[in-house]
Amino acid sequence: GAVVSQHPSWVICKSGTSVKIECRSLDFQATTMFWYRQFPKQSLMLMATSNEGSKATYEQGVEKDKFLINHASLTLSTLTVTSAHPEDSSFYICSAPALDRGVNTFGSGTRLTVV
Amino acid sequence: AQKVTQAQTEISVVEKEDVTLDCVYETRDTTYYLFWYKQPPSGELVFLIRRNSFDEQNEISGRYSWNFQKSTSSFNFTITASQVVDSAVYFCALYNIGDDKIIFGKGTRLHILP
Repeated sequence: GAVVSQHPSWVICKSGTSVKIECRSLDFQATTMFWYRQFPKQSLMLMATSNEGSKATYEQGVEKDKFLINHASLTLSTLTVTSAHPEDSSFYICSAPALDRGVNTFGSGTRLTVV
Repeated sequence: AQKVTQAQTEISVVEKEDVTLDCVYETRDTTYYLFWYKQPPSGELVFLIRRNSFDEQNEISGRYSWNFQKSTSSFNFTITASQVVDSAVYFCALYNIGDDKIIFGKGTRLHILP
């Protein structure tokens, strides 16, 4: 079935540094990738939608200069958290629509801790 | 407005009891999909079911069953003979063809007590 591979699964970084999270669609082409953020005990909130070959679309209230999204190919989308701060600590999860296969496929998530 | 409401924030039941998780949705679209996902403590989202707006047949999969009622905009999920391993957060979600994105409810945290 459709698989999205997300790396890393967890990362700890120092405040002020940048962290890159990768999502790859392994057996299908993902022209679109959704990026969600989930704070502890909360729901998944859509941050942005990346589209291969064009600029990402950000949801209201999400800083596009802080959360850089690149969708360079049909199988790879990346989210870079720039100048991370402790309040950026969260669970980030990507998702690619593969509805022709019956399911929207999620990555396994990345738990980011900024210290 | 597109919205998913899971009114039950947290539920605790004793093992072997049946439990129903409620989901009510709002959408302008006539074509949409509804999902249920399970999120265990590891964080990974486990896909449980997808239902499209034209298919109101209820579905049963083992101990899981789903009741889709378009008239009340509800898509409820029942676990029969619950087990401790069912403990997790369960999310109901809505996908609109027009928006091309999934909207999640706030989730219901389910505790199955031994």
